[in-house]
Amino acid sequence: EVQLVESGGGLVQPGRSLKLSCVASGFTFNNYWMTWIRQAPGKGLEWVASITNTGGSTYYPDSVKGRFTISRDNAKSTLYLQMNSLRSEDTATYYCTRDRKIYYYSRGYFDYWGQGVMVTVSS
Amino acid sequence: DVLMTQTPVSLPVSLGGQVSISCRSSQSLVHSDGNTYLHWYLQKPGQSPQLLIYRVSNRFSGVPDRFSGSGSGTDFTLKISRVEPEDLGVYYCLQSTHFPYTFGAGTKLELK
Repeated sequence: EVQLVESGGGLVQPGRSLKLSCVASGFTFNNYWMTWIRQAPGKGLEWVASITNTGGSTYYPDSVKGRFTISRDNAKSTLYLQMNSLRSEDTATYYCTRDRKIYYYSRGYFDYWGQGVMVTVSS
Repeated sequence: DVLMTQTPVSLPVSLGGQVSISCRSSQSLVHSDGNTYLHWYLQKPGQSPQLLIYRVSNRFSGVPDRFSGSGSGTDFTLKISRVEPEDLGVYYCLQSTHFPYTFGAGTKLELK
């Protein structure tokens, strides 16, 4: 059974940093790209970051580029999201997802999601 | 960025009924590799989103055949037949043809 378990959320002041983790199990982690998706309270879904299976390439939207860094440790089957210079608009539930591809550089879709972890940015 | 427009925003339904949700994109979702990367998700109250349909019309594992997806180019539809209580929630479309990936704003399926 595929499982994704996020941790590391909490309340943080604007301008500070936070690092999220996602432990994966039930599949061969180093075979899959991984992605973070977020959802602000009462709002829709927003793509945050994606990483290749080796960690060699990463992708971000402009809203977080330069502030957030996605990374992974395949030996630990763990995905990370380092969030710096946090803003109030980063307040959201952050979901870790598995990114399913047809072929290596094809576009993907997110077939399994974690339960999410809440990040609140407020003074 | 590709704008994904979902309609309606709210969709009242009777159990056992049939509904359709529309998702339109501001540009074609046909990728240069020939595939169309349009997908559908359902978020039940208090839960994480779950994948229903991938690449326009492929049902994900375990998804009942009451759910079907269709469309091409910029115009896509999710149909749900014989609606059951567990189908209630917010439906989202996602395009992953173009970076940044973008979601529709959601359609809330609720009981009449």
